[in-house]
Amino acid sequence: QKEVEQNSGPLSVPEGAIASLNCTYSDRVSQSFFWYRQYSGKSPELIMSIYSNGDKEDGRFTAQLNKASQYVSLLIRDSQPSDSATYLCAALVRGAGSYQLTFGKGTKLSVIP
Amino acid sequence: DVKVTQSSRYLVKRTGEKVFLECVQDMDHENMFWYRQDPGLGLRLIYFSYDVKMKEKGDIPEGYSVSREKKERFSLILESASTNQTSMYLCASKRSNTEAFFGQGTRLTVV
Repeated sequence: QKEVEQNSGPLSVPEGAIASLNCTYSDRVSQSFFWYRQYSGKSPELIMSIYSNGDKEDGRFTAQLNKASQYVSLLIRDSQPSDSATYLCAALVRGAGSYQLTFGKGTKLSVIP
Repeated sequence: DVKVTQSSRYLVKRTGEKVFLECVQDMDHENMFWYRQDPGLGLRLIYFSYDVKMKEKGDIPEGYSVSREKKERFSLILESASTNQTSMYLCASKRSNTEAFFGQGTRLTVV
């Protein structure tokens, strides 16, 4: 199993709906998780980080971490066309000397007006 | 604001050339990373460095080397460029156990 796995999508939701993006991880992963958004042709930008079990909310975004089931999710409420992008789940994986940052392949989200 | 700067936005190189991609960060971060991104394959880690002169191989180090002589600068070297190294290259930096910040990316084409 790869350390971080995502459904590649595409995921299409109507404007105003809730978009739900999911990510599972392996035992090698530490307990630090990040969600990045990447617009086409641009570099990834951080949306949320989550380090402890439960929910973390920031505006329209909620990150959820479930350690027992080894998944982390991102909910986007009141989805807007400007949310259309690829969303990358990332986690820290212990290497020989330090932690490396490993990404899932990303989920492409389309918000339909 | 954290700033991660990659030396070139677009590069075109010939097969067999030695190619240097430079990355500089201004926030005194210990960790720096080089990724390549290809359609359908996501972000794949090539090399990372957790201190000056320290480096670790990532998932796809073959055909690449790196150099970190100063804390703020991390260089990716393609010893002999090949067409299968045509890709988007992304540099990132971070403090331990925190989020990473990315440069703007370098789109490299090897012809």
